[in-house]
Amino acid sequence: GQQLNQSPQSMFIQEGEDVSMNCTSSSIFNTWLWYKQDPGEGPVLLIALYKAGELTSNGRLTAQFGITRKDSFLNISASIPSDVGIYFCAGLNTGTASKLTFGTGTRLQVTL
Amino acid sequence: GAVVSQHPSWVICKSGTSVKIECRSLDFQATTMFWYRQFPKQSLMLMATSNEGSKATYEQGVEKDKFLINHASLTLSTLTVTSAHPEDSSFYICSAGRGAIFSNQPQHFGDGTRLSIL
Repeated sequence: GQQLNQSPQSMFIQEGEDVSMNCTSSSIFNTWLWYKQDPGEGPVLLIALYKAGELTSNGRLTAQFGITRKDSFLNISASIPSDVGIYFCAGLNTGTASKLTFGTGTRLQVTL
Repeated sequence: GAVVSQHPSWVICKSGTSVKIECRSLDFQATTMFWYRQFPKQSLMLMATSNEGSKATYEQGVEKDKFLINHASLTLSTLTVTSAHPEDSSFYICSAGRGAIFSNQPQHFGDGTRLSIL
């Protein structure tokens, strides 16, 4: 099935640094979601975006819904060790029975 | 707290065994639930959409006779991996959304079931 392209594939950063990752698609979505997955667990919803151009924050996390509706980015400010994990974007179109299309994932490692 | 519960979290069994995985929505009714499979270091791939009171909808390439889905109530969907073989070993995850099907309400995921077939 289709997957969304996420970049970078992996990141190694120091605690306190800011992080930026993005997600692109060849097709349009009318909802973008960002999830974080810890090892051996299911994804946890971080941010949901519903409108093109929308910028939404959740604590140290900020995400934007691209104006073309084909991309989204996620920023994490002042990273901490518990930010380690895999971040997935997901696109959703309400006309497709609420099925999510997931990105390829960005693996984040934070060093002290 | 968790809104979707999955059980068991880990299964190890012999080749040829059938394994049932349960997915429950804890504080809402879900007419639709979704089953995903995730191989190591890969993303989640949708296997099927589970519809309460009707047949599941399977994604292309997923064998419906191999992966039996039953959505008998508004809070429970089950996935049965029949006659499991080592290649079926994977991390299986379910999800459910609070909104009606075709809505844009985000899905919440269970904690997954790691299936290991010997």
